[in-house]
Amino acid sequence: DVVLTQTPVSLSVTLGDQASISCRSSQSLEYSDGYTYLEWYLQKPGQSPQLLIYEVSNRFSGVPDRFIGSGSGTDFTLKISRVEPEDLGVYYCFQATHDPPLTFGSGTKLEIK
Amino acid sequence: QVTLKESGPGILQPSQTLSLTCSFSGFSLSTYGMCVGWIRQSSGKGLEWLANIWWNDDKYYNPSLKNRLTISKDTSNNQAFLKITNMDTADTATYYCARGYYPAAWGQGVMVTVSS
Repeated sequence: DVVLTQTPVSLSVTLGDQASISCRSSQSLEYSDGYTYLEWYLQKPGQSPQLLIYEVSNRFSGVPDRFIGSGSGTDFTLKISRVEPEDLGVYYCFQATHDPPLTFGSGTKLEIK
Repeated sequence: QVTLKESGPGILQPSQTLSLTCSFSGFSLSTYGMCVGWIRQSSGKGLEWLANIWWNDDKYYNPSLKNRLTISKDTSNNQAFLKITNMDTADTATYYCARGYYPAAWGQGVMVTVSS
């Protein structure tokens, strides 16, 4: 199974500052078709996860441009510039390159200072 | 507008079989390339992918539970189903259904408690 390791486990950020979350994979996530199926989700308190970023760097419909995904191979980063109160929650990376099983990272909890 | 909603028994006893239904609207599982999956989340824990079913009836399961899982669909009624046999207290979780290979739309989840 592909293991996704997220760091940090938790993050406390001042409103308006930048947050950065790392996701490292135990295997390269580049698929044979040339795409890399690494996604980012946010689970706000009491809600279902919501897709933020797909295929490393593409923002899903309605996601603000404050959310920026980057990376390749085994190392990926989600940056949130100008953190706002509605950004709090748990962020998960997810890989759909190697299946089964599809796997999630263990999550990073973003708190607002 | 895409919506999904899970339904299930709420509570069941160890060794029983869990049957979950995902009722959805805004898309069809008969459309080429469409996929619905199931994911669960134990209380305070992370997310675990369980299974996917595709428009062409291909099915994929998490190997760690494969012998216990059965995913199916009723295209005419816009529903997908998941059965898990031999439920244990460790299977207590919120179960989500979601659309897409990488899930882009999720249901609200249904809480399932396994207790004697």
